[in-house]
Amino acid sequence: QKEVEQDPGPLSVPEGAIVSLNCTYSNSAFQYFMWYRQYSRKGPELLMYTYSSGNKEDGRFTAQVDKSSKYISLFIRDSQPSDSATYLCAWGGGADGLTFGKGTHLIIQP
Amino acid sequence: DVKVTQSSRYLVKRTGEKVFLECVQDMDHENMFWYRQDPGLGLRLIYFSYDVKMKEKGDIPEGYSVSREKKERFSLILESASTNQTSMYLCASNRAGTGLDYGYTFGSGTRLTVV
Repeated sequence: QKEVEQDPGPLSVPEGAIVSLNCTYSNSAFQYFMWYRQYSRKGPELLMYTYSSGNKEDGRFTAQVDKSSKYISLFIRDSQPSDSATYLCAWGGGADGLTFGKGTHLIIQP
Repeated sequence: DVKVTQSSRYLVKRTGEKVFLECVQDMDHENMFWYRQDPGLGLRLIYFSYDVKMKEKGDIPEGYSVSREKKERFSLILESASTNQTSMYLCASNRAGTGLDYGYTFGSGTRLTVV
């Protein structure tokens, strides 16, 4: 069963705030976990990729995976207006490619 | 700079027309994918291909077909366009061996309106 739950937002926060984006999933076969960022009128671009539980950090971004709870998170520190975009969580490990969440629309207010 | 290029950014077609959406990648990727993206529904896989002349149905193949005659090109065909096929269409590719899961590179999308 391919079920991925992601709050669509919009989520609006002031510049400099810490942002927390979350997804839950139901298929324990998923092995790879990703976050994609999509700017308006553009295609998604890979932001973060993790394989196992735990945290992965890249600059202001931290991806967190909790396989026992089937829950993944993306944290953005010191958020900037340029971070305003739609963030898509994605899972892999199935036979036919990635499963995407519906995306959360994030707005960083200057 | 590696790219996935979709031939049209915006397209308006009439109901019943046969529509071709073209996608070309310059990364020598084996796997290519077609998605449509709709508000509230997210990205839904239409078809994918893991080799030349190979194709696999995704979650919503009805009303669509695909063609992959060359490695770098993957075409999506709407046999008889209908208004419910108005959507953003996204092409993506990745390299075989990384699995079908990893490292998708997306095109910028084609916004198709069927009137």
